[in-house]
Amino acid sequence: GAVVSQHPSRVICKSGTSVKIECRSLDFQATTMFWYRQFPKQSLMLMATSNEGSKATYEQGVEKDKFLINHASLTLSTLTVTSAHPEDSSFYICSASASGGAHTDTQYFGPGTRLTVL
Amino acid sequence: AQSVSQHNHHVILSEAASLELGCNYSYGGTVNLFWYVQYPGQHLQLLLKYFSGDPLVKGIKGFEAEFIKSKFSFNLRKPSVQWSDTAEYFCAVNPDSNYQLIWGAGTKLIIKP
Repeated sequence: GAVVSQHPSRVICKSGTSVKIECRSLDFQATTMFWYRQFPKQSLMLMATSNEGSKATYEQGVEKDKFLINHASLTLSTLTVTSAHPEDSSFYICSASASGGAHTDTQYFGPGTRLTVL
Repeated sequence: AQSVSQHNHHVILSEAASLELGCNYSYGGTVNLFWYVQYPGQHLQLLLKYFSGDPLVKGIKGFEAEFIKSKFSFNLRKPSVQWSDTAEYFCAVNPDSNYQLIWGAGTKLIIKP
């Protein structure tokens, strides 16, 4: 149990375009989802926390207008990188957590999405 | 500031050796504690967690961890490692159950066959 998927696993786009990444909890209802960014040889950097039906809470230094997060249902959150630039190239990872049951207060991670902006 | 330290960045062991990976955190309040593992080419997976109760927690694949409150530690152990345990191990702490995880830098474990 507690499986989280991400789509796509890899995406290459041109500078100036927008890219949407989906994060799904497959076998549990995720009241909270997290979006992380990972730079090479560094640990995960939390970008934002989203609760279903609410606006996301962004970490300091993360541009909310650039990284749009939508958590419209208990199984799906999306991250849209708007007007992407080469410096946005990175590995984006989501995690999901439930508020009750066996998965409460525990983050389960997706496999990540490699974004390359040309 | 809250922090998590993992003492060893790289550990190399032979199969059947015993393993202990250290994890210490700096936070005086209530914490939830986690060990995650990332096998080569795979994503982060939960190995075990401690919220309350018995401070000796058993996880998947024969791993266990002991929470020692007085030492602010949550060390990961396995009595006899296998080649398939080669992975990177991350300790993480969630202070006050506010969902945000504070991560250790990770320990790369290599098991020689």
